Amino acid sequence: DTAVSQTPKYLVTQMGNDKSIKCEQNLGHDTMYWYKQDSKKFLKIMFSYNNKELIINETVPNRFSPKSPDKAHLNLHINSLELGDSAVYFCASSQAQGETDTQYFGPGTRLTVL
Amino acid sequence: QKEVEQNSGPLSVPEGAIASLNCTYSDRGSQSFFWYRQYSGKSPELIMFIYSNGDKEDGRFTAQLNKASQYVSLLIRDSQPSDSATYLCAVKGTLTFGKGTMLLVSP
Repeated sequence: DTAVSQTPKYLVTQMGNDKSIKCEQNLGHDTMYWYKQDSKKFLKIMFSYNNKELIINETVPNRFSPKSPDKAHLNLHINSLELGDSAVYFCASSQAQGETDTQYFGPGTRLTVL
Repeated sequence: QKEVEQNSGPLSVPEGAIASLNCTYSDRGSQSFFWYRQYSGKSPELIMFIYSNGDKEDGRFTAQLNKASQYVSLLIRDSQPSDSATYLCAVKGTLTFGKGTMLLVSP
């Protein structure tokens, strides 16, 4: 069974559209994350949720809105998509927020904005 | 701004050699550090983490941490072609990743 899953795997859309990416983890973890990896492979934290509560919200345009219906799910909704949003988005989860808690990554969603 | 610096490479080593990957970080208060491996088109997967000064060994991998110098490294012994990937250094507390070092192991 996949520990951290994301849908869709690929997403191609036009500028200005609104899209969502879903993430689910079956590890029983309390903390979930969204990362963006750009074309230069730089992996940057966007959001972190602990037990459905927002913990970290890095400098991300407010067009990006995470939603956590329960602690096993963390979805990412993006409004008014721009060319610069094209990247691979990774969801991750960890047991807690401790210094030694390992993050497990999902397979990624490759978003292409045309 | 908290930063994690890595040489982007590629670092090329022959099969069987020791590969040495280095990482420096700017936040002196950082406590624990993770090394991830990422194959092209795949997600990062954990190799090991370290939070105490000194060495930590796991199979062919050894992580080294020197908090005074704000330096963490990963040694891969007996490198194999299957080790060819990008290696990401990360600071857990700030969830900051380096840009990664590409390792190429030639048969």
